[in-house]
Amino acid sequence: GNSVTQMEGPVTLSEEAFLTINCTYTATGYPSLFWYVQYPGEGLQLLLKATKADDKGSNKGFEATYRKETTSFHLEKGSVQVSDSAVYFCALSRKETSGSRLTFGEGTQLTVNP
Amino acid sequence: NAGVTQTPKFQVLKTGQSMTLQCAQDMNHEYMSWYRQDPGMGLRLIHYSVGAGITDQGEVPNGYNVSRSTTEDFPLRLLSAAPSQTSVYFCASCCNPSRDYGYTFGSGTRLTVV
Repeated sequence: GNSVTQMEGPVTLSEEAFLTINCTYTATGYPSLFWYVQYPGEGLQLLLKATKADDKGSNKGFEATYRKETTSFHLEKGSVQVSDSAVYFCALSRKETSGSRLTFGEGTQLTVNP
Repeated sequence: NAGVTQTPKFQVLKTGQSMTLQCAQDMNHEYMSWYRQDPGMGLRLIHYSVGAGITDQGEVPNGYNVSRSTTEDFPLRLLSAAPSQTSVYFCASCCNPSRDYGYTFGSGTRLTVV
């Protein structure tokens, strides 16, 4: 079946540090890949996505590249801010006959200190 | 600009009680789903629907029922609440199932079963 594995957290960084959150997946065929962000007390928001190999998703300074050869979709940001403190989820979906279904990783808690 | 609306935001139930978590979307999305979020486990799919009148089970359907009588509404029913159902519940909706544009999530319902 499909599965997503994220790096263990929590992650604590200082403001302006470089961020990498690792994500690898297992799926048959060609899934679409997503990063979602959850701020305290809120629901999940789509951060970025990629639908095919070598696609790069980007938003708000975050980037992730769909690497089929390593089955990875690592999230990066060059300079984090305190406002980036949140839980980040990697997810995949496949277009099965019954429609898309999201499979999530466990989530990574990011805390950015001033 | 409501998106996905979930009610209630918080609920405490006694073991054995039943209740319905409400979810409504105003984006004319065909696809809707319910997830539960537990610490260290990410989000797990409970039930989903690809259109009015069509529902199917996800990873963890036991103890929950759903129906989809209209495109807009997708209520989740707990038949006889158990402490193991203490969790945060998220409803999500998506566009055409053949497109992977990502899901829109509600703000969640925090349920405690005592």
